[in-house]
Amino acid sequence: AQKVTQAQTEISVVEKEDVTLDCVYETRDTTYYLFWYKQPPSGELVFLIRRNSFDEQNEISGRYSWNFQKSTSSFNFTITASQVVDSAVYFCALSEAGSGNTPLVFGKGTRLSVIA
Amino acid sequence: DSGVTQTPKHLITATGQRVTLRCSPRSGDLSVYWYQQSLDQGLQFLIQYYNGEERAKGNILERFSAQQFPDLHSELNLSSLELGDSALYFCASSVDRGLVGNTIYFGEGSWLTVV
Repeated sequence: AQKVTQAQTEISVVEKEDVTLDCVYETRDTTYYLFWYKQPPSGELVFLIRRNSFDEQNEISGRYSWNFQKSTSSFNFTITASQVVDSAVYFCALSEAGSGNTPLVFGKGTRLSVIA
Repeated sequence: DSGVTQTPKHLITATGQRVTLRCSPRSGDLSVYWYQQSLDQGLQFLIQYYNGEERAKGNILERFSAQQFPDLHSELNLSSLELGDSALYFCASSVDRGLVGNTIYFGEGSWLTVV
């Protein structure tokens, strides 16, 4: 069965610090998809990134970067030079290829607080 | 703006009542998903519809039901409501036209409070 673990429940950093959010997943499928979503205080879930299991290239988007390592079943998310607006709950999620777009399984989330 | 529209945004109702949450997926998306987010259970998958048919079922209670209409909008019906049903209910959609691993986009959610 698929499972996503975000061991860090809450993280607090001072503005401009770098912070890494950890995500470890379990799946028996060889083809799967990993996602990160952001949930700001207003409540909506905002899509950040999708990565398939065959693409282990790290990705950078502005201050955001993602490190995917199949060897350790991890898909970690780093925010560089954090800002107060980055304060949110961040969710890692997994979807197995299966017989179609299987529903996302989410981790419990990591609450990030960036202090000015 | 994800393109997924949910109504109502906020709802307060009494125990034992029945409510309907409505969702319009992104234009062109065939799959609709419903998720429940509560403090103790996190984000839980309830049910998925694909082009009008039920495709996958998660931890959905028997008191809850959903459907997807020919115009692809979806409704989640919650009946005999209990205090523990208070949660944020998300609708999400994806293209799913024979492809796998599509990005799933979420609406802003419907906050349900049962008093």
